[in-house]
Amino acid sequence: GENVEQHPSTLSVQEGDSAVIKCTYSDSASNYFPWYKQELGKRPQLIIDIRSNVGEKKDQRIAVTLNKTAKHFSLHITETQPEDSAVYFCAARGSRGSTLGRLYFGRGTQLTVWP
Amino acid sequence: NAGVMQNPRHLVRRRGQEARLRCSPMKGHSHVYWYRQLPEEGLKFMVYLQKENIIDESGMPKERFSAEFPKEGPSILRIQQVVRGDSAAYFCASSGTGQSSYNEQFFGPGTRLTVL
Repeated sequence: GENVEQHPSTLSVQEGDSAVIKCTYSDSASNYFPWYKQELGKRPQLIIDIRSNVGEKKDQRIAVTLNKTAKHFSLHITETQPEDSAVYFCAARGSRGSTLGRLYFGRGTQLTVWP
Repeated sequence: NAGVMQNPRHLVRRRGQEARLRCSPMKGHSHVYWYRQLPEEGLKFMVYLQKENIIDESGMPKERFSAEFPKEGPSILRIQQVVRGDSAAYFCASSGTGQSSYNEQFFGPGTRLTVL
């Protein structure tokens, strides 16, 4: 099945700096890649996603890039704010038969933004 | 439009008891997914259901765990004879059926199961 690796596991930045989180996946047929933000004790919340037919997507301070050839995708957060502090998870959607629905998650990145 | 709902939010069981976790998908959604999250780890897929059908249960242990999504009512994840290793947060997610909405999975608040 799909294997998603996520780096770094922890990331500390100063308020206003940029943060980048990277993920790789193993199944070249995967075609949907969401990013989730999870605050302590809360539910994962979808913040941005990208499909395999585009290379980049932006939503205000958040952007995601996808390199299908290299099988990696990245989350970019610009002008970070303390409220961006959370755990961020990348995921890839299964591509084959009955696995088509499931999401394969990375292990998460704990982002801390210092004021 | 209410989001995905789960209950109970917290559940304490003693070893050997049964745990029942409920999930009501978002209105209009007919796909339900259950994930388990251990402390400081990512989410691990357990089972994917549509109404009255289990589509993919390959992530769910074959013993003691079962799931259903009946025609009426919420989806239920059932854990029989719980053990301490079952302690975790269990999240339910749902998605729609249209091509554009099928991919997006929205998560419920989770049920935090503690086995004493």
